[in-house]
Amino acid sequence: DVKVTQSSRYLVKRTGEKVFLECVQDMDHENMFWYRQDPGLGLRLIYFSYDVKMKEKGDIPEGYSVSREKKERFSLILESASTNQTSMYLCASSRSRVGSYEQYFGPGTRLTVT
Amino acid sequence: KNEVEQSPQNLTAQEGEFITINCSYSVGISALHWLQQHPGGGIVSLFMLSSGKKKHGRLIATINIQEKHSSLHITASHPRDSAVYICAVPDYNTDKLIFGTGTRLQVFP
Repeated sequence: DVKVTQSSRYLVKRTGEKVFLECVQDMDHENMFWYRQDPGLGLRLIYFSYDVKMKEKGDIPEGYSVSREKKERFSLILESASTNQTSMYLCASSRSRVGSYEQYFGPGTRLTVT
Repeated sequence: KNEVEQSPQNLTAQEGEFITINCSYSVGISALHWLQQHPGGGIVSLFMLSSGKKKHGRLIATINIQEKHSSLHITASHPRDSAVYICAVPDYNTDKLIFGTGTRLQVFP
């Protein structure tokens, strides 16, 4: 079974802190994604990566950056956390093109910025 | 850009009822995904289908490519089916998934 793990289930940070969210997948998937999920807004794509050291902006990249130094690991970085980044963050991976392959999600990290 | 609409937004049912959740999209696609999210939980992929029908246990997903419409059916619903059900389609140009806003299902004993 594909397993996508995220470093924390719950995280509380202060405004202005630099925050790292880690995601690891164990199935040698090419594609990895970071989403945030907010009530009434659904899932929104922050960044995605089709290969190591490759990244592309999603729909809401402002205030975030990412790093993919190894194929299995995709990190989301909040350079200076703000209260409007309080949200549920979900990582996902897929073997290749999402039109043709299922996307597997991690358990999510609920981040609160105070 | 593909627009994805789900209905209903909220659904309550008594245990044992037959459930239908609908999803429509505006642009032709290669495949459609149905996802499930339990309260406080991660998201699980239920189905990915490009034509016809797929069945897994009490869950059935159908798609009509010509009408750009898919349905998710739950037979003999159970309280453990209570979750948010999300449909998603890939954007043709970018291959990113475009998500519906979800249908919140509550099944009462």
